[in-house]
Amino acid sequence: ETGVTQTPRHLVMGMTNKKSLKCEQHLGHNAMYWYKQSAKKPLELMFVYNFKEQTENNSVPSRFSPECPNSSHLFLHLHTLQPEDSALYLCASSQVGAGTSVQETQYFGPGTRLLVL
Amino acid sequence: AQTVTQSQPEMSVQEAETVTLSCTYDTSENNYYLFWYKQPPSRQMILVIRQEAYKQQNATENRFSVNFQKAAKSFSLKISDSQLGDTAMYFCAFMNPLIQGAQKLVFGQGTRLTINP
Repeated sequence: ETGVTQTPRHLVMGMTNKKSLKCEQHLGHNAMYWYKQSAKKPLELMFVYNFKEQTENNSVPSRFSPECPNSSHLFLHLHTLQPEDSALYLCASSQVGAGTSVQETQYFGPGTRLLVL
Repeated sequence: AQTVTQSQPEMSVQEAETVTLSCTYDTSENNYYLFWYKQPPSRQMILVIRQEAYKQQNATENRFSVNFQKAAKSFSLKISDSQLGDTAMYFCAFMNPLIQGAQKLVFGQGTRLTINP
């Protein structure tokens, strides 16, 4: 276990549904991340939150809406998704500004496997 | 922009053998971090080893060690006495710690390593 949990682990949704992915970190970190992992493609960074402020939106379509109510929780709200959005969505956390690779290492959750029909 | 290349999509070795996974990267930065992550079939991404670019000594973690060649921009992972539990996808990743805000990880495409009994 890495100290980062994600729910649900699996999700099947239609293109008209609205659902949310949840991530929680128990490491006391100040930054959280959403990544998308598709088959045969490198992990793609989607969003970054640093001290609850969004600092990165990597040209993600508006049908993905992140929310970070506090530094321990991160949500990804999904609506009107497309079949090509089917992927593994990974959450990660780290301690930003700590100054060493040990402290700034990102720790990942187990992911949510999303299938859009 | 930084890029990370893993030129071996798949590798397969016998248990107890030594295997080396290659990784090259492109950057104009002088200070950065490099990581190897492992993603077993159960999907959770786990840190294997990390290296700070200013350190000349290669990092080691038990059976895992790296060969860091800064001038060549190469960061290979050596697994000694390989075990069945080493079967996983291995990702090489680059981080520039000087980027303002939360640090971004840039990942390679991954190498699927299979350890055969």
